[in-house]
Amino acid sequence: AQRVTQPEKLLSVFKGAPVELKCNYSYSGSPELFWYVQYSRQRLQLLLRHISRESIKGFTADLNKGETSFHLKKPFAQEEDSAMYYCALSVGRRALTFGSGTRLQVQP
Amino acid sequence: DAGVTQSPTHLIKTRGQQVTLRCSPKSGHDTVSWYQQALGQGPQFIFQYYEEEERQRGNFPDRFSGHQFPNYSSELNVNALLLGDSALYLCASSLALAGVNEQYFGPGTRLTVT
Repeated sequence: AQRVTQPEKLLSVFKGAPVELKCNYSYSGSPELFWYVQYSRQRLQLLLRHISRESIKGFTADLNKGETSFHLKKPFAQEEDSAMYYCALSVGRRALTFGSGTRLQVQP
Repeated sequence: DAGVTQSPTHLIKTRGQQVTLRCSPKSGHDTVSWYQQALGQGPQFIFQYYEEEERQRGNFPDRFSGHQFPNYSSELNVNALLLGDSALYLCASSLALAGVNEQYFGPGTRLTVT
């Protein structure tokens, strides 16, 4: 069965500092990987998907199949980036398997 | 388009009772998935409905059941409620034939079992 691990419950950085939210997964095939974000009092929303290789709100994530990782990065954190971030995996376009989430706090 | 909507927003039930939660998918979507999110945890997959049938199921007991209607809306039913069923229940919708599994989430229903 697939599994997603986010080792940090909380990541606190200062505004302007680089950010890296870690995500490791276990699955032997070729899954789809996603990052979801939940801002305070808002619903869970899709931030990034590995297949698109896009940059959203300055965030990027590269799928490393050798290390089975999909870390989320941003070179310069902003206060509005403070939120809960979830890494998720999907196989066969069905259920999403989520990690336990990392809370990002960007301090002024 | 209001996106995915869920009702009710909050619900308080007593142990042993039954509960029904409702979800309307985003316009144009035909697939509905349900997730349970306990405090401090990521969402856990319960089941997914497509063409009015349960297409996939997570590791949840038979007390959890669902239904999808011809208009693609869905219900989640939980029987014989336990204290441990207290959680945020999320509904997500998607399009089965889309090129990528992009799921849109509703705001959730907060269920408290006392």
